[in-house]
Amino acid sequence: RKEVEQDPGPFNVPEGATVAFNCTYSNSASQSFFWYRQDCRKEPKLLMSVYSSGNEDGRFTAQLNRASQYISLLIRDSKLSDSATYLCVVNNAGGTSYGKLTFGQGTILTVHP
Amino acid sequence: ETGVTQSPTHLIKTRGQQVTLRCSSQSGHNTVSWYQQALGQGPQFIFQYYREEENGRGNFPPRFSGLQFPNYSSELNVNALELDDSALYLCASSPDLAGFQETQYFGPGTRLLVL
Repeated sequence: RKEVEQDPGPFNVPEGATVAFNCTYSNSASQSFFWYRQDCRKEPKLLMSVYSSGNEDGRFTAQLNRASQYISLLIRDSKLSDSATYLCVVNNAGGTSYGKLTFGQGTILTVHP
Repeated sequence: ETGVTQSPTHLIKTRGQQVTLRCSSQSGHNTVSWYQQALGQGPQFIFQYYREEENGRGNFPPRFSGLQFPNYSSELNVNALELDDSALYLCASSPDLAGFQETQYFGPGTRLLVL
């Protein structure tokens, strides 16, 4: 089983749609969780951290369910500029491996006019 | 921009050759991590250096090695290149080890093609 698994996608949605991405992780000792965005042929960039209480940043809402080891990202009112690959990321900081980010495969989102 | 730079941007090598990739972290960032991203996959952790010592390593063979220098630059060396080493190589820096929420700042990557 992969350490971090994401929806296979790709997702192809019209502008203005709401789209949700899901992710599960296998290491129950994982300490911190993130969503990164990666544009084509570019480096990953931090979109938002994910907290147990849930957090929102504009049109983006992230949720964490530690009991189910499940992370989600909701994008409301999709824009053309949201087209990218979204990477679910877990920081497996158990032991001495601080800052070891484990990435999911990524889900491709295409927003069309 | 993140302030992390990598060189070269692109590189073509042949099987069996050796390659050195370079990364320059933000000033004051004592931790650098290297990741390999194959086409269609998420980045995979290679290893991490903290204050010039290897601090952790992923599932990569010993022919992947690294160095970190006091001037916040670092290198990833790969010996005996194989076709499967073709990937985007990313370095990421962070200020320190403390805190699980530590943000890592990625460089633009080096795209390596092994023929």
